[in-house]
Amino acid sequence: EIVLTQSPGTLSLSPGERATLSCRASQSISNNYLAWYQQKPGQAPRLLIYLTSNRATGIPDRFSGSGSGTDFTLTISGLEPEDFAVYYCLHYDTSRGTFGQGTKVDIK
Amino acid sequence: EVQLVESGGGLVQPGGSLRLSCAASGFTLSSYWMHWVRQVPGEGLAWVSRINADGSSATYADSVRGRFTNYKDSARNTLYLQMNSLRVEDTAVYFCTRGPLNGYHIQYWGQGTLVTVSS
Repeated sequence: EIVLTQSPGTLSLSPGERATLSCRASQSISNNYLAWYQQKPGQAPRLLIYLTSNRATGIPDRFSGSGSGTDFTLTISGLEPEDFAVYYCLHYDTSRGTFGQGTKVDIK
Repeated sequence: EVQLVESGGGLVQPGGSLRLSCAASGFTLSSYWMHWVRQVPGEGLAWVSRINADGSSATYADSVRGRFTNYKDSARNTLYLQMNSLRVEDTAVYFCTRGPLNGYHIQYWGQGTLVTVSS
């Protein structure tokens, strides 16, 4: 079973700054089956990125995903006030899914 | 518009059973993979189970395998999660989610239903 480790646990930044979130897998992920989600308090998560680097419908282009093998990154190029939230990565395949433990992006 | 509405959560004693429902609208359930994901309040997300499009195959997290059953009722366009032998550690908000037409990630989420297992 693949384990996903996200870092840092908390990222304290100011609006306008660049956020770089890491998701590291315990084994190589095939087919780039890695997604990213944003969750705000009291809400369901929202899909941001799928297949490592594809933005979901309606997601602003300040969000981008990259990576391969065991190392994946979500980058937010300039934080907007609505971007302060918790972010999760998800590895998925035809049989199961595994989430990382999350990275909280809060206002510095 | 895709909508997923969960129901059936509540308070149950350890060892008890509960069945969650997820009413789907805006799409045909039998065309999509569906997943259940849970979240202990204040903690992270945990994948629970997935079922394929025609409902013929379901897989489970180790923590629930043998106790939970994920199945579809295509006539009602409703997804179910039958939860037996519930444990205190099963306490969580349970989300019903849908995959895309061609792919395996989670695309849409319901708002969740809270299950509390306590004596």
